[in-house]
Amino acid sequence: EDKVVQSPLSLVVHEGDTVTLNCSYEVTNFRSLLWYKQEKKAPTFLFMLTSSGIEKKSGRLSSILDKKELFSILNITATQTGDSAIYLCAAPTSNTGKLIFGQGTTLQVKP
Amino acid sequence: GAGVSQTPSNKVTEKGKYVELRCDPISGHTALYWYRQSLGQGPEFLIYFQGTGAADDSGLPNDRFFAVRPEGSVSTLKIQRTERGDSAVYLCASSSDRATYNEQFFGPGTRLTVL
Repeated sequence: EDKVVQSPLSLVVHEGDTVTLNCSYEVTNFRSLLWYKQEKKAPTFLFMLTSSGIEKKSGRLSSILDKKELFSILNITATQTGDSAIYLCAAPTSNTGKLIFGQGTTLQVKP
Repeated sequence: GAGVSQTPSNKVTEKGKYVELRCDPISGHTALYWYRQSLGQGPEFLIYFQGTGAADDSGLPNDRFFAVRPEGSVSTLKIQRTERGDSAVYLCASSSDRATYNEQFFGPGTRLTVL
């Protein structure tokens, strides 16, 4: 059975800290892994990763995929209170593209 | 441009009632997905439309749930005889293709509360 597992489930840090969020997966016919940020209700797209070892970067956020060890990490440097959110990791599980999500990591950044 | 929209944003209903949740995808997106997210969990797949047809409804929990997309754009998720366990945020997403490599864009969701 396909599955995506995230850790930690929750994290509390102070502004300026660096955090690393983890996502491991077991997906038949793996194609890609996606990261989303969910602040209120709508998950907003962050990254899509398809190739091992190639870092994707957007400002203070970066992510990388390891297809041999079946995991991905999302790094956030110099965290700000606006980074407080649920971070979701997901992978399409079939030709239909339906996503299977991890449980999410709830990040709280304190001032 | 306009993103995915969903109405209503919140819906409170009584156990046993019928509800309809609407999703308006990004214009031109042929793929449309419904997910359900319970508190503290990631979204769970319900149904996928490619155009007008439901190409994959394997995530619908039981026959009280049904969804349509008659003209290949707007979709309606219908829940009959609602139960308290149906309370969740219902998310809709659209994509320009089957999302194998294209990201899905999510709407703001409908928070359904069944009393």
